[in-house]
Amino acid sequence: GAVVSQHPSWVICKSGTSVKIECRSLDFQATTMFWYRQFPKQSLMLMATSNEGSKATYEQGVEKDKFLINHASLTLSTLTVTSAHPEDSSFYICSARDIQGLYGYTFGSGTRLTVV
Amino acid sequence: GQSLEQPSEVTAVEGAIVQINCTYQTSGFYGLSWYQQHDGGAPTFPSYNALDGLEETGRFSSFLSRSDSYGYLLLQELQMKDSASYFCAVRGAAGNKLTFGGGTRVLVKP
Repeated sequence: GAVVSQHPSWVICKSGTSVKIECRSLDFQATTMFWYRQFPKQSLMLMATSNEGSKATYEQGVEKDKFLINHASLTLSTLTVTSAHPEDSSFYICSARDIQGLYGYTFGSGTRLTVV
Repeated sequence: GQSLEQPSEVTAVEGAIVQINCTYQTSGFYGLSWYQQHDGGAPTFPSYNALDGLEETGRFSSFLSRSDSYGYLLLQELQMKDSASYFCAVRGAAGNKLTFGGGTRVLVKP
């Protein structure tokens, strides 16, 4: 089956610093990856859609300059939270869909970000 | 826009059957999915419906009625490990995006 590896699983950073989260599809190629944010006891909110080789498409209300997304290859997308603040503390989850659409949407294990 | 409604919480005992309903409003429809998520974990993929009717995957079944914009997830022979949040999600018209419902927290008691 399809596997998506997401790292790190948790990170604590100081306010004002930047954090990079990686999402890799291990055994399939993903032209499209999705980034979600989830606050405690809430649903997954789509932040952006990442397409290999092109600029990400951000959802309304998501700051492009704060949440930098790079999708340089068919198996890797990264999300960088720049100048992090405590309100950015959340659970960030990536998802990937294989090119053929055989496996549906496969989710990474998530990254718990705490900004202090 | 897209919106999905599902109950916030359901409690049941081991061995029971639970049905989680989901109604949706979408611009375009390419299928209804259900995801299970344990606290702090990733969503996993119990069930998917693109066409009307019932899909069975072990103890989990999912139903879809596109004419009613309605679906449900049926959890049978409940086990303690089924305590989790369950989200319905719709793939709409625009670019393969999934929109999630608010989630239903299922608590299974002994």
